[in-house]
Amino acid sequence: KAGVTQTPRYLIKTRGQQVTLSCSPISGHRSVSWYQQTPGQGLQFLFEYFSETQRNKGNFPGRFSGRQFSNSRSEMNVSTLELGDSALYLCASSLGLGLEENIQYFGAGTRLSVL
Amino acid sequence: AQKITQTQPGMFVQEKEAVTLDCTYDTSDPSYGLFWYKQPSSGEMIFLIYQGSYDQQNATEGRYSLNFQKARKSANLVISASQLGDSAMYFCAMREGMDTGRRALTFGSGTRLQVQP
Repeated sequence: KAGVTQTPRYLIKTRGQQVTLSCSPISGHRSVSWYQQTPGQGLQFLFEYFSETQRNKGNFPGRFSGRQFSNSRSEMNVSTLELGDSALYLCASSLGLGLEENIQYFGAGTRLSVL
Repeated sequence: AQKITQTQPGMFVQEKEAVTLDCTYDTSDPSYGLFWYKQPSSGEMIFLIYQGSYDQQNATEGRYSLNFQKARKSANLVISASQLGDSAMYFCAMREGMDTGRRALTFGSGTRLQVQP
């Protein structure tokens, strides 16, 4: 069974641009969560989608948005990029049934550099 | 207050020895889950072990075990028979409101484990 797939793995953008990151969850998983990892702030929760609806949201500005498609694939968008948005963006999926619902499986991440 | 505290920024262990990575947590929610993840230099977060707040027994998964002391609010990870491939960052995480739809994990700052031959 394939794991969580994130594309692209690396991105270089300049300030003011916008970027879209993609995440394909494990087959059968309906919940997709996004996290930002930086050396200064550590791992922080961005938002979570379930059945195409945003169910939870972290404390990030509105420049950070996302969506989920009917096949559970998710995209995250960051508009008007700032230098501080440079980070590893991790996507995680979970099953949603029984005990397995509690376990989030992560992808390898997208490393975004903003110049 | 920090919800998840990992007080060991770095740890060294000899190959084949056991090592304990500390984690304390803070929550008033009666229903929560505790997780440990491993992050090699490649960046991927690898799930290791899970403990629910209502679980009576400590969780074990192969060489990994979780020493869960609810009254002390600690959830230490024990790795037995360390291997060179265990060298990585280790994160403790908590999910509150396990009986709700919340999915957000709160992570600690991590412990970098280095296994020496």
